[in-house]
Amino acid sequence: DAGVTQSPTHLIKTRGQQVTLRCSPKSGHDTVSWYQQALGQGPQFIFQYYEEEERQRGNFPDRFSGHQFPNYSSELNVNALLLGDSALYLCASSLGTGGLNGYTFGSGTRLTVV
Amino acid sequence: AQSVAQPEDQVNVAEGNPLTVKCTYSVSGNPYLFWYVQYPNRGLQFLLKYITGDNLVKGSYGFEAEFNKSQTSFHLKKPSALVSDSALYFCASRTGAGGSYIPTFGRGTSLIVHP
Repeated sequence: DAGVTQSPTHLIKTRGQQVTLRCSPKSGHDTVSWYQQALGQGPQFIFQYYEEEERQRGNFPDRFSGHQFPNYSSELNVNALLLGDSALYLCASSLGTGGLNGYTFGSGTRLTVV
Repeated sequence: AQSVAQPEDQVNVAEGNPLTVKCTYSVSGNPYLFWYVQYPNRGLQFLLKYITGDNLVKGSYGFEAEFNKSQTSFHLKKPSALVSDSALYFCASRTGAGGSYIPTFGRGTSLIVHP
């Protein structure tokens, strides 16, 4: 099924390094949102991309940046990694930015910073 | 600022019994409310939503939720629990039309259904 695909599934990085996470949205969806889910917490909104532009941003520093490509896929980049960046990173896609029919989430990328 | 509270970290229920997972919200104006479920090592799956209209909304897998504006609650319910319902449940809210359309999620409630 053409659900949301994220890669890689797991990643281990060292403090100070940079990481790129990738997401392919569900077929027919044009909007991608990124979330950070720390252990025992709900997902925290990072930003949303629509028409290749960042449309909304949560309370995350500029170390977190993203991109959306013409085929609607997206990347999340995190620079100067901190131990506190260790989390499950979820990509969610939707048709349009409102998400009124619910977002479709990927299985996530588990990032561990050591 | 909007917020969502799920007061129970864990809910235990016997298979076949009714279940309730609680959620309260704080959103200015008329809220849009959602429930998602997360199985181990999986992303969140959309269960149901309340936008407007009937306070009782029905969703996937036999789940339903009741919107109560006076109590600012949106509790998830199911008449008869299954062991396979065991998972992590998240309530989410966003402001209605004209506001920020980004949902805020609660911390999640672990539902354990015992055989």
